[in-house]
Amino acid sequence: DAKTTQPTSMDCAEGRAANLPCNHSTISGNEYVYWYRQIHSQGPQYIIHGLKNNETNEMASLIITEDRKSSTLILPHATLRDTAVYYCIVRDANAGNMLTFGGGTRLMVKP
Amino acid sequence: NAGVMQNPRHLVRRRGQEARLRCSPMKGHSHVYWYRQLPEEGLKFMVYLQKENIIDESGMPKERFSAEFPKEGPSILRIQQVVRGDSAAYFCASSPFTGKNTEAFFGQGTRLTVV
Repeated sequence: DAKTTQPTSMDCAEGRAANLPCNHSTISGNEYVYWYRQIHSQGPQYIIHGLKNNETNEMASLIITEDRKSSTLILPHATLRDTAVYYCIVRDANAGNMLTFGGGTRLMVKP
Repeated sequence: NAGVMQNPRHLVRRRGQEARLRCSPMKGHSHVYWYRQLPEEGLKFMVYLQKENIIDESGMPKERFSAEFPKEGPSILRIQQVVRGDSAAYFCASSPFTGKNTEAFFGQGTRLTVV
């Protein structure tokens, strides 16, 4: 699976949009971009995933660049409960659902 | 629809004992994945199972660790003769099938402490 690069940590003010970047410059054509988060040692929580089109659900939006070398997860109105480690993962569609977790971005939402 | 259920949530074992961790996947899910998270580290894939089959065990330590997912009942991760270095959070995830557009859902984990 392609490697991803994320900032180690970010801060965001409560109520503002949180934009979490991810670089995956070696992504291949059959690899999806997945985002999970882990809130203080709980089990990872699925957020969203996409292939090449932008995606939106009730939790977040995923913006993937046209060349697919990077993406941004957007939490439109961050709350204190969104404080977590966010993982950007690239998964080969043909390789099962095994996920390779990197270090992620530790998002701190501040009042 | 209950989520992925793991038990026990916390498990304490003395060095040399056996640890059995159970995972019941979401209803309708036939694929199970186990991950380990050492203190202050990221999650590492251990093993991928379907009913009665081990599909990928590339992340499993060569000794003392085994996993199964029988036709009936939960998936079991078994650690024999535990050592202090086995202390970690063990997470299970499940998915309905392996496809291009699927996601895996995680349980809340079992925290194993070896004393």
